[in-house]
Amino acid sequence: DQQVKQNSPSLSVQEGRISILNCDYTNSMFDYFLWYKKYPAEGPTFLISISSIKDKNEDGRFTVFLNKSAKHLSLHIVPSQPGDSAVYFCAASHNYGQNFVFGPGTRLSVLP
Amino acid sequence: DSGVTQTPKHLITATGQRVTLRCSPRSGDLSVYWYQQSLDQGLQFLIQYYNGEERAKGNILERFSAQQFPDLHSELNLSSLELGDSALYFCASSVEALLTDTQYFGPGTRLTVL
Repeated sequence: DQQVKQNSPSLSVQEGRISILNCDYTNSMFDYFLWYKKYPAEGPTFLISISSIKDKNEDGRFTVFLNKSAKHLSLHIVPSQPGDSAVYFCAASHNYGQNFVFGPGTRLSVLP
Repeated sequence: DSGVTQTPKHLITATGQRVTLRCSPRSGDLSVYWYQQSLDQGLQFLIQYYNGEERAKGNILERFSAQQFPDLHSELNLSSLELGDSALYFCASSVEALLTDTQYFGPGTRLTVL
């Protein structure tokens, strides 16, 4: 049973518009969440994180929103750029420092 | 370039065989993590070592084992290989052992079991 779900396998967005990537989780004990970006033939790259004491974290063009009651988080990319085209993984953990669970990923294509 | 190196880049072997994947963390990083990315399963955490000691265990099969050496490089040993073990194996490193530390991933080793 998948504890972290990314229900959209792929997403296409026009350059300059907003990209919204969604992630749902089932384990209410998760208290720390991360987003990674992965280009083909490369390892994942850390993007942004959020702990359960916050509902929003911003870093440049990237903002992550956390809705604990809905067990849902989303990654907003504004404005989207062609270089953002990659697979985005959501990951969740409970107990800082323990192992964590990745979602299956969403492939984002930003069209020029 | 994350500073994490993994060798080999590609590995092709047969069922029943044993292979060793190697990872060198970024300079100064004490923690090493191993992940498996299968086609249909996304990234799965396997195991974490911190300064030579096993720190956390994920979905690692009994046929798999890992260790971290005094120079902090790590090896993942996969034995009695099955077709389903074909995957990308990533290593990541971080300064400390906490999840709040950013993990830096290597480029991965692609294992193909025929």
